[in-house]
Parts: sequence; C-alpha cells; structure tokens
Amino acid sequence: ETGVTQTPRHLVMGMTNKKSLKCEQHLGHNAMYWYKQSAKKPLELMFVYNFKEQTENNSVPSRFSPECPNSSHLFLHLHTLQPEDSALYLCASSQEDRAARGGYTFGSGTRLTVV
Amino acid sequence: EDQVTQSPEALRLQEGESSSLNCSYTVSGLRGLFWYRQDPGKGPEFLFTLYSAGEEKEKERLKATLTKKESFLHITAPKPEDSATYLCAVQATSGTYKYIFGTGTRLKVLA
Repeated sequence: ETGVTQTPRHLVMGMTNKKSLKCEQHLGHNAMYWYKQSAKKPLELMFVYNFKEQTENNSVPSRFSPECPNSSHLFLHLHTLQPEDSALYLCASSQEDRAARGGYTFGSGTRLTVV
Repeated sequence: EDQVTQSPEALRLQEGESSSLNCSYTVSGLRGLFWYRQDPGKGPEFLFTLYSAGEEKEKERLKATLTKKESFLHITAPKPEDSATYLCAVQATSGTYKYIFGTGTRLKVLA
C-alpha cells in the first residue's frame, strides 16, 4: 500500500468504551499529525509528532492519548469519550513538521460516533 | 490573531461556468498558503503551495493566485468531477508553524 492508511474507517463506541485508531504511512515521512474535523468547523490540530517525538499537544483533553512507536505508525487511544467527540479523525504526514512545502498527505479518516 | 476565512461557503456552477473561490487570511508572517481538495468520505488532497504575493500555480482547470491579504482559486470551465470541498490553510513564520485552516468552500458542478 502507498500513502497514508487509517483504520478503522468507521467506529461507533459507547462513552465507557476504550478503542484505538491506527494510522500508517508508507511515504518515508518524519512528521505525523492527528486532526479532528467537525461539520462546519476548520480542521483542528490535535497532536504533532516529529521523528517519533511529540512536538505539539494542542490542549487536547486527556481522554485522547496519542502514541507514536516509530516514524511510520501513529495511534490515537480513546477512552470515556463524550458525544461531542463524534467527528472525522484524520491522520496526516509530511517530510518534517516545520517546512511542509509539499503539503500534508492525509489519510481517508476514521468517522467516529460516540453514543 | 491568525485567521483564515473562505468564501463563499457553497457554490453551484453549471458545467463550463468559470468562477473563483476566495481565501482571506490574517497572519503575522506568511510562510506558505496551501490549497487542498476534499471529496466526501476522504481526507484532503494537496493541490498547491503559494509563498509570496504575485505567485501563481496551475493544475489542469485550477489556478491559484496570492496577494498580501488573500488567495483565489480560479476554476476554468469546470466539470462535474471538480465537485468537492476546497480548503485553504496558512502556515505562519512564527510560533509553532502549524496550519490554520479555513472552513472550506463546497463546490457543486452540475452537468
């Protein structure tokens, strides 16, 4: 596979569940990102990892917990979410986090519904 | 405060009817302005990066231009397959270099 792959594509979870979103990039990029996309709102940056180190946490609630075991994989662990957390969660990658001249490469996202 | 505003929110065009989408921005220092296309159920797809006023980039029926306050995405003789949401983002020279996205323009091209 090429590009950025996200799994699962759709997820429905209860507020007391624990689940994880997975992202994998096959582009040799060094920076990876989690974004949240809600209807009629701008894409909201959540976390940035550069060379496996977290370089940005955009004041995200602790019920979202990222993990980056290597430069190709990124996870978002979810627990005790709220209904307002329902959104499209997008993973992206770029060569490095400070000079994304070629833009970001986004995955297709995970559509999360919290019930 | 750094900000990006896109207009119109939605646009319906007949096939072949050219138009422009607007992205107005306020940023302390511009590192780059980016255009993306997003199809339903997919992530955004990178189109262009513009770095300085006066710069232009073209790709098929799309042409992006940049001034000191705004960018335009011109669509010439659009086809139904150009229907998508077009997102604009800016990256500032200061701070954390993160993108600031607009809310997008939903374009529908009718056959």
